[in-house]
Amino acid sequence: QVTLKESGPVLVQPTETLTLTCTVSGFSLSTAKMGVSWIRQPPGKALEWLAHIFSDDEKSYSTSLKSRLTISKDTSKSQVVLTLTNMDPVDTATYYCAREYCGGDCYHSYFAYWGQGTLVTVSS
Amino acid sequence: DIVMTQSPDSLAVSLGERATINCKSSQTVLYNSNNKNYLAWYQQKPGQPPNLLIYWASTRESGVPDRFSGSGSGTDFTLTISSLQAEDVAVYYCQQYYSTPYTFGQGTKLEIK
Repeated sequence: QVTLKESGPVLVQPTETLTLTCTVSGFSLSTAKMGVSWIRQPPGKALEWLAHIFSDDEKSYSTSLKSRLTISKDTSKSQVVLTLTNMDPVDTATYYCAREYCGGDCYHSYFAYWGQGTLVTVSS
Repeated sequence: DIVMTQSPDSLAVSLGERATINCKSSQTVLYNSNNKNYLAWYQQKPGQPPNLLIYWASTRESGVPDRFSGSGSGTDFTLTISSLQAEDVAVYYCQQYYSTPYTFGQGTKLEIK
C-alpha cells in the first residue's frame, strides 16, 4: 500500500537550516506524472503548501518562501528532501508530505495520500 | 497566487441536519481543455493529517460516505454533508490545484449544535 513518512529534527534553533526527508513506499518516484508535495500547518492554523517535485524533476515553490526552500529527490532511495533555510519561530509547524499523481487527462492533481506529519519547533 | 476563501469560518449543525460549506477562488480553477475543476475538499480531525473527501470538485474519494457531496464550477464551490453524524466533527479545507503555488482555504470548523 501507499505510505509516506516524514523524518527530521523536532527542534531547530533560529537561523538554522531545516532538512526534512519524506520516505515513500508502495509507488515509485520515477513513475510518469508522479509528484510529492510538502505542506505545513502551524499549531491551530491552516494548511500551507510549500513545494512539490515531479518524476521529471519539475519543481515549484511557495511564492512567499521560494527564496528559502529547496526540494530534491533521490529516486533510488524513494526519498524527497526539503530544506528551509534561516528558520524562525514562525516556522514552527507540523510538516507533511503528500503524494500527487495525475494518471490521466490532467497536469496537476489532488493529495490522496499523506504522511502522518512531523512537528518541528523553532526555539533557542 | 489564487486566494481561496471559505465561509463560514465555523458552523454548528444539529445531528441529522444538513451542513453546507462554501469555497470561493479568486480566479477560475476550471481548465477548459478537459473541463475539469481543479478543486479538492479535505477533512481534518485533531492530531491527524487531512483526509481527501472530494476531488475534481464533485468526485467522491473511494470509501467516503455518500452523505458528502461537492458541487460548483469556475470560482464558486460547495461541500455538503446531507445528514450530519457525530464523526463528521472536524475542520474542512478546500484546495485548488489548478496552478502553483497550490493554495488552501482558511478552514471551516464544523461542530455539533
